Amino acid sequence: GAVVSQHPSRVICKSGTSVKIECRSLDFQATTMFWYRQFPKQSLMLMATSNEGSKATYEQGVEKDKFLINHASLTLSTLTVTSAHPEDSSFYICSARSRGLEKLFFGSGTQLSVL
Amino acid sequence: SQQGEEDPQALSIQEGENATMNCSYKTSINNLQWYRQNSGRGLVHLILIRSNEREKHSGRLRVTLDTSKKSSSLLITASRAADTASYFCATRRSNQAGTALIFGKGTTLSVSS
Repeated sequence: GAVVSQHPSRVICKSGTSVKIECRSLDFQATTMFWYRQFPKQSLMLMATSNEGSKATYEQGVEKDKFLINHASLTLSTLTVTSAHPEDSSFYICSARSRGLEKLFFGSGTQLSVL
Repeated sequence: SQQGEEDPQALSIQEGENATMNCSYKTSINNLQWYRQNSGRGLVHLILIRSNEREKHSGRLRVTLDTSKKSSSLLITASRAADTASYFCATRRSNQAGTALIFGKGTTLSVSS
């Protein structure tokens, strides 16, 4: 099956710093990538949708200047949490879809802890 | 916003028993998908059922869909400890960015041996 690699799996950073999370589709071209956020024992909340080569579309309430998403190629998308604060601490998960397929392939997630 | 609502929120059973999880959704759909998430990990696709299907099987999984009631159920038969995970239903939402999957709140299943 298709593999999506997400790094890092865990990151601890100081308040005010920026953190970059990478999401790569290893064996397929991801025409669309999605970034989700998940709080403990809760569901996934869609943050943004990114299509290769175009600007990401953010969900209502998600600050695009805080959560910078880049989808520069068909195999790589990055999420940068800028000027991180403790309230940004969460589990971030990327997913990718190949053209013509309905199902999503997920990365293994990144646990961000902001001190 | 979330599209699906699963119930129960949590389910504890013994190995060998069957586990049934339900999902309700709000809008019309082309298909409904079920995913599984082990603690602290990403999600894995389990099964997709199309709107013109009423039931679908995959190994020990059985999914039903009732579009008139806007509901679906996931049945895991002869459960195993390894089935312990959270299970989410997901439906597609289309907007200017394309289509995205919106997930329900999930059911946390605990299977004890």
